Amino acid sequence: NAGVTQTPKFRVLKTGQSMTLLCAQDMNHEYMYWYRQDPGMGLRLIHYSVGEGTTAKGEVPDGYNVSRLKKQNFLLGLESAAPSQTSVYFCASSVRAANSPLHFGNGTRLTVT
Amino acid sequence: QQQVKQSPQSLIVQKGGISIINCAYENTAFDYFPWYQQFPGKGPALLIAIRPDVSEKKEGRFTISFNKSAKQFSLHIMDSQPGDSATYFCAASAAGGTSYGKLTFGQGTILTVHP
Repeated sequence: NAGVTQTPKFRVLKTGQSMTLLCAQDMNHEYMYWYRQDPGMGLRLIHYSVGEGTTAKGEVPDGYNVSRLKKQNFLLGLESAAPSQTSVYFCASSVRAANSPLHFGNGTRLTVT
Repeated sequence: QQQVKQSPQSLIVQKGGISIINCAYENTAFDYFPWYQQFPGKGPALLIAIRPDVSEKKEGRFTISFNKSAKQFSLHIMDSQPGDSATYFCAASAAGGTSYGKLTFGQGTILTVHP
């Protein structure tokens, strides 16, 4: 089992460019999440999904969009990248149960110049 | 608004020593308090977790102490080893309502254990 796989691992964008971060999980988990990690800020929830076809806003959703067309995939889009979106992005998944652990991917390091 | 505050930001400990990381929360609806461990280049992974109905939970060298009245909890790593060098995050969540399953993380603590 691969667990949670994120692509790409690294990306450099120019301000105003767009891109999509891909997340795939092979654990048949219902819940999926996108977090961003910044020094001194911990991990902050961007968007999450409680099932195929559903998405919801997290703590810092502005400037991002998401889609969950298939249960195993959760896509994070940046329509017009800004330097403030320079960060490490983590995707995670979990089963649909209270207090279930999050299974994280290894992250995508994004730099916006 | 940081609902979970973690300290210290960084910690250096000698091999065999005790590492202590503290967290404080504000939201009284939180009822689940996990700690995650993250190695460089990897995603965080669950280390140990506690519910507020107990004051302490121990797994091997790792212990969570929980003080519900003070809204604080801490991670103790006994006999710290160089392999414990990592970033540690405390977190909290509330099981009910719209916050179901969503974790609020602390700022993280970079632990370095010198041999």
